[in-house]
Amino acid sequence: GENVEQHPSTLSVQEGDSAVIKCTYSDSASNYFPWYKQELGKGPQLIIDIRSNVGEKKDQRIAVTLNKTAKHFSLHITETQPEDSAVYFCAASRGDSGYSTLTFGKGTMLLVSP
Amino acid sequence: DSGVTQTPKHLITATGQRVTLRCSPRSGDLSVYWYQQSLDQGLQFLIQYYNGEERAKGNILERFSAQQFPDLHSELNLSSLELGDSALYFCASSVRAVVSGNTEAFFGQGTRLTVV
Repeated sequence: GENVEQHPSTLSVQEGDSAVIKCTYSDSASNYFPWYKQELGKGPQLIIDIRSNVGEKKDQRIAVTLNKTAKHFSLHITETQPEDSAVYFCAASRGDSGYSTLTFGKGTMLLVSP
Repeated sequence: DSGVTQTPKHLITATGQRVTLRCSPRSGDLSVYWYQQSLDQGLQFLIQYYNGEERAKGNILERFSAQQFPDLHSELNLSSLELGDSALYFCASSVRAVVSGNTEAFFGQGTRLTVV
């Protein structure tokens, strides 16, 4: 089955700095890579996703890059703000190609200090 | 608010007991997923139902079972509880059976289970 590794497990940055979270996956058939943000006391919420036919996707201050050859993808947050503090999860699935449940990384706790 | 409702929010029970967690998916969503979240294991997929039928199974223990009812709500039954079963249990739902760029999975707020 799919295995997703996520690093780092914790990340502390100053407000305004950039933050990068990296994930690797094992199943070459995976083709959908979402990122979820989980705030305290809440369930994970989708913040951005990327499909395997795209190398990069951006949405305001967040961006995701994908390297299919190396089987890794990354989340980039620029101009971080205190409200970005949360746990971030990467995930992978085969999308429409069959067995498609999401396999998650173990999460990164991002702390943004004012 | 994701539209996915989980009850109860908190549950404290003793070892050996049985509990039932309930999930109401978003209106119109046919697929329900159950995940277990613990500190050291992250989000572990347990089981998926689609339109009343079991579709996929993950790392679900034999002591655990689930079902999806005709009204599409789902229940996760945990029996012979052990201390190690203490965790957050999340339910998610999606319109289709597959999660992809066209189909988002929406998570509920979770049920925190504490086994003492």
